[in-house]
Amino acid sequence: DTAVSQTPKYLVTQMGNDKSIKCEQNLGHDTMYWYKQDSKKFLKIMFSYNNKELIINETVPNRFSPKSPDKAHLNLHINSLELGDSAVYFCASSQVIGGRNTEAFFGQGTRLTVV
Amino acid sequence: AQKVTQAQTEISVVEKEDVTLDCVYETRDTTYYLFWYKQPPSGELVFLIRRNSFDEQNEISGRYSWNFQKSTSSFNFTITASQVVDSAVYFCALSEAVSGNTPLVFGKGTRLSVIA
Repeated sequence: DTAVSQTPKYLVTQMGNDKSIKCEQNLGHDTMYWYKQDSKKFLKIMFSYNNKELIINETVPNRFSPKSPDKAHLNLHINSLELGDSAVYFCASSQVIGGRNTEAFFGQGTRLTVV
Repeated sequence: AQKVTQAQTEISVVEKEDVTLDCVYETRDTTYYLFWYKQPPSGELVFLIRRNSFDEQNEISGRYSWNFQKSTSSFNFTITASQVVDSAVYFCALSEAVSGNTPLVFGKGTRLSVIA
C-alpha cells in the first residue's frame, strides 16, 4: 500500500485553466504539506496543514488554494494557471512523536506542465 | 532564519570510488533535525536518514555513513564503493523544533553521477 499517494502523476493543461491535484496519506500522520520543485530541482514549502488546519502559507499566490477535508487528505487547487506554475508538486506527511519531528514521507510527485 | 547549503552542485565519480556530499546548515534553534533524501531519475523523494541536534553520534548503514558535527554546522554524507544505482540528486534538509511539525528547508541538492 502506498503511504502517500497523489494524483495525477502528470498534468498538461493550457494557461488560464483551473486544475486540482489530490493527495492522500494512510500513515495516520497529523501534518501534511505541499512542496514545489522547480526546473532547477529546488524544493520549497508551499503549505503546511496540521489536523486539517492551515499552519503555514509561504508567500504563495492566492490562485493556489489547498483544501483538507480530513487529516488524511490535502488537495491542491490552482486557478488561472500560468506558465510559471509549471513544476513538480509534491505532497508529504509527517508526525511528531514524543515531541520529536519525524521524517516526511513524500508522494511520487505531480509534474504540471502549463502550455 | 534557517538555511541549508549544499555547495557541490554536481559530482561525478567512477564506480567503486568513495564520495562525500557536503551539507552545511544555519539555524537559531538549539533543537533541530537534519535529514538526507535521495531523488533518483524516476523522480520520487526517498528518505535516507534523520539526525536530532542533541545526538551527535555518526551513523553507518551499509555503504552509507553520515558525519554530524555541530561545531561546524555540518552533516555530511559519504557513500563508499559507489554504484551506478547511487546516481541521483541528494538533498540535505533541516527542520526546526518549534511547536508542531515544521516543514523541511532543503538545500539545492547535489547531483551525483556514478559512471560504470
